[in-house]
Amino acid sequence: KQEVTQIPAALSVPEGENLVLNCSFTDSAIYNLQWFRQDPGKGLTSLLLIQSSQREQTSGRLNASLDKSSGRSTLYIAASQPGDSATYLCAVGPNAGNNRKLIWGLGTSLAVNP
Amino acid sequence: GAGVSQTPSNKVTEKGKYVELRCDPISGHTALYWYRQSLGQGPEFLIYFQGTGAADDSGLPNDRFFAVRPEGSVSTLKIQRTERGDSAVYLCASSLHGTYQETQYFGPGTRLLVL
Repeated sequence: KQEVTQIPAALSVPEGENLVLNCSFTDSAIYNLQWFRQDPGKGLTSLLLIQSSQREQTSGRLNASLDKSSGRSTLYIAASQPGDSATYLCAVGPNAGNNRKLIWGLGTSLAVNP
Repeated sequence: GAGVSQTPSNKVTEKGKYVELRCDPISGHTALYWYRQSLGQGPEFLIYFQGTGAADDSGLPNDRFFAVRPEGSVSTLKIQRTERGDSAVYLCASSLHGTYQETQYFGPGTRLLVL
């Protein structure tokens, strides 16, 4: 059974700092991995989607890497801003048949302080 | 529409009542997904539709939960005889074709509170 773990559970940093969020998964047989952002009381916004054949994806100040063999992904946020404060969730997509469900971590709650 | 919409945004009901939660996916998206998220947890998969049919309903917790998508667009999640443990945010997502490679786009969710 796939399990997704995110470390740390919470992180507080001063504005401008570069930071790394970690995601690990137990079953490396995945089709893709996604990083989402969730703001309080709001839905989920997809940040980056990495296919199993890829090693990283970049969007602006965000860079996500994927190492399937070790079951790890990292989300790197450069030059953090107060507007980056949110919960960041990692989700993996399984690789079997008709299965489209995403398996989620519990998230990392990020606070960027001005 | 521009994104996935869900109604109502909040629903308060009493234990034992019946509730319906609605999801309007992005226009043209053939795949639709329901998840629920309890406080402090990641989302939990409930059901996935491809067109009008439920392709995977393995996440529905019991037979009190049922979902339909009769015309392949709007979907309704129905919960009978609600219990306090059903309180959660119910999230709906859609994707264009339902392939593995696609991003799922999420709505803002319906916050259900069962008293």
